Amino acid sequence: DVKVTQSSRYLVKRTGEKVFLECVQDMDHENMFWYRQDPGLGLRLIYFSYDVKMKEKGDIPEGYSVSREKKERFSLILESASTNQTSMYLCASSGGPLREKLFFGSGTQLSVL
Amino acid sequence: TQLLEQSPQFLSIQEGENLTVYCNSSSVFSSLQWYRQEPGEGPVLLVTVVTGGEVKKLKRLTFQFGDARKDSSLHITAAQPGDTGLYLCAGAHAGNNRKLIWGLGTSLAVNP
Repeated sequence: DVKVTQSSRYLVKRTGEKVFLECVQDMDHENMFWYRQDPGLGLRLIYFSYDVKMKEKGDIPEGYSVSREKKERFSLILESASTNQTSMYLCASSGGPLREKLFFGSGTQLSVL
Repeated sequence: TQLLEQSPQFLSIQEGENLTVYCNSSSVFSSLQWYRQEPGEGPVLLVTVVTGGEVKKLKRLTFQFGDARKDSSLHITAAQPGDTGLYLCAGAHAGNNRKLIWGLGTSLAVNP
């Protein structure tokens, strides 16, 4: 079975903290994505990566950065967490053209207090 | 800008009923995907449609891509409680193979 694993299901952080969200896939996929999901706003793309050390901004990259040092791992970094970054964060991967079948992790519910 | 509109936004029905949800756009898509997301989980791909007028069936679920490739529908026959979830459509534009355009979803509750 293919698997995308996110390191935490729930996280509670303080405003101003640096936050790391980790995602690992075991499918040898080239492409990896970070989305956030909010009620009424749907899924919004933060960043994606199509190769190791390659990254591109999505629709809402402000306040976030990413790291992809190894093919299987894609990290999302909140440099200085703010309350408006409270959200469900979803990692996904795909093996073909970027719009093909996305495999999602179970998500990380982040609360910033 | 919301390019994919899904309707209805919420739907609550009894087990055994039929239902249809819609995904509409003024843009043409080269392909369209349907995902289902259960509470506490990530979305799971159900189907991809690529040809105008295409119909695909997945057990009790029937997916159709509009002739002009601007819209799609999902019909569920004899809904069951296990069909409960958020149904999301996502479209890909020809020439822009970097990002999917997502609808906001239809939240379906099937009551026993």
